[in-house]
Amino acid sequence: DSGVTQTPKHLITATGQRVTLRCSPRSGDLSVYWYQQSLDQGLQFLIQYYNGEERAKGNILERFSAQQFPDLHSELNLSSLELGDSALYFCASSVRGVDEQFFGPGTRLTVL
Amino acid sequence: AQSVTQPDIHITVSEGASLELRCNYSYGATPYLFWYVQSPGQGLQLLLKYFSGDTLVQGIKGFEAEFKRSQSSFNLRKPSVHWSDAAEYFCAVGAMEYGNKLVFGAGTILRVKS
Repeated sequence: DSGVTQTPKHLITATGQRVTLRCSPRSGDLSVYWYQQSLDQGLQFLIQYYNGEERAKGNILERFSAQQFPDLHSELNLSSLELGDSALYFCASSVRGVDEQFFGPGTRLTVL
Repeated sequence: AQSVTQPDIHITVSEGASLELRCNYSYGATPYLFWYVQSPGQGLQLLLKYFSGDTLVQGIKGFEAEFKRSQSSFNLRKPSVHWSDAAEYFCAVGAMEYGNKLVFGAGTILRVKS
């Protein structure tokens, strides 16, 4: 157990819908990262937050957004969902930013 | 652009045999290097990391990796594989200059035969 929690574990929804994925980092970690894992793209970095502020952005679609709240938990919002958004979404956290990242168990999103 | 190459998609080894998983990277900054393992349906577990210093690093579960700057490689090794090591292994690279995001290789699936 890495100490990073993610909810829900599984999510099944329809195209065009919007979902919110939640992540709670390890106690004391200020930095949160979101990654997408799919069969065709592999593991891709989406976005990073550090102490409530966006720090780095990767291959995140405009339909996707994220935020980190004052209690340091983070949410990833996915809207206008498409079949291709079906993937495993991981949250990771680290103490600051320049150190190892600990991954949560992931949320498996299925878009039908 | 930053990239990580794991040239072997699948590797099969016999239980008790030695293992080496290859990782090469291309990075325009001083890299930090990691190996993660993922069991089916599970998240990613950190095996070991390299930031600086001794280029041979020890990790959990008896794994080690060696950083070779001249070859841009960070290969993972284990002297004797156990059946429970069967999983998918990912090499990842990060750098402070790029916000410490991790760039992952495509992964190597390890099968262990008894």
